[in-house]
Amino acid sequence: QVHLVQSGAEVKEPGSSVKVSCKASGGTFSNFTITWVRQAPGQGPEWMGGIIPFFGTAHNAQRFQGRLTIIADESTSTAYMELSSLRSEDTAVYYCAGGMSLDVWGKGTTVTVSS
Amino acid sequence: EIVLTQSPGTLSLSPGERATLSCRASQSVSSNYLAWYQQKSGQAPRLLIYGASSRATGIPDRFSGSGSGTDFTLTISRLEPEDFAVYYCQQYGSLPRTFGQGTKVEIK
Repeated sequence: QVHLVQSGAEVKEPGSSVKVSCKASGGTFSNFTITWVRQAPGQGPEWMGGIIPFFGTAHNAQRFQGRLTIIADESTSTAYMELSSLRSEDTAVYYCAGGMSLDVWGKGTTVTVSS
Repeated sequence: EIVLTQSPGTLSLSPGERATLSCRASQSVSSNYLAWYQQKSGQAPRLLIYGASSRATGIPDRFSGSGSGTDFTLTISRLEPEDFAVYYCQQYGSLPRTFGQGTKVEIK
């Protein structure tokens, strides 16, 4: 069973960037889809994008075009999500999830954007 | 983009009752790649059902999923106290993946 461990909470100023990591253990990372989902306070989950480390190409939601970078490092079984040009509306819990149907989830990383 | 509409928004039921949750897609979900998740306050979502009707590992058999194409249903046959939560459907058959807005199952 794959286990996902995410990096800790972040507080960022508007206009800056945040990079969240997601380290996988207990399974084969290379062909395991890693998806990033965020959830703003009181809202439902929102799909941001995903990557299969073996192929290395991420598919991102159009609304994050130009601001979102998802990469995967097979050598450390770690995926990363970087969101730039942060605004207050990006305040949310950011989750990584693994598997095509999001079988396993990290515990989430709270990102607060505030001046 | 496939829009998923869940109904009702809130379901008020008593323990032991049957819960029926609906998820309707704006277009056909490819290969019935439709999942259901349960989320409790302060926790990450948990996969219940994938492929519209297959239970995830460790999920009790009181949870069942059905449907195909554009209409899907999650049924909880007899509500246990721990089942009161928010439930989301999600399609993973096409990009972008999308979630429904959720159904809250609350204690009546």
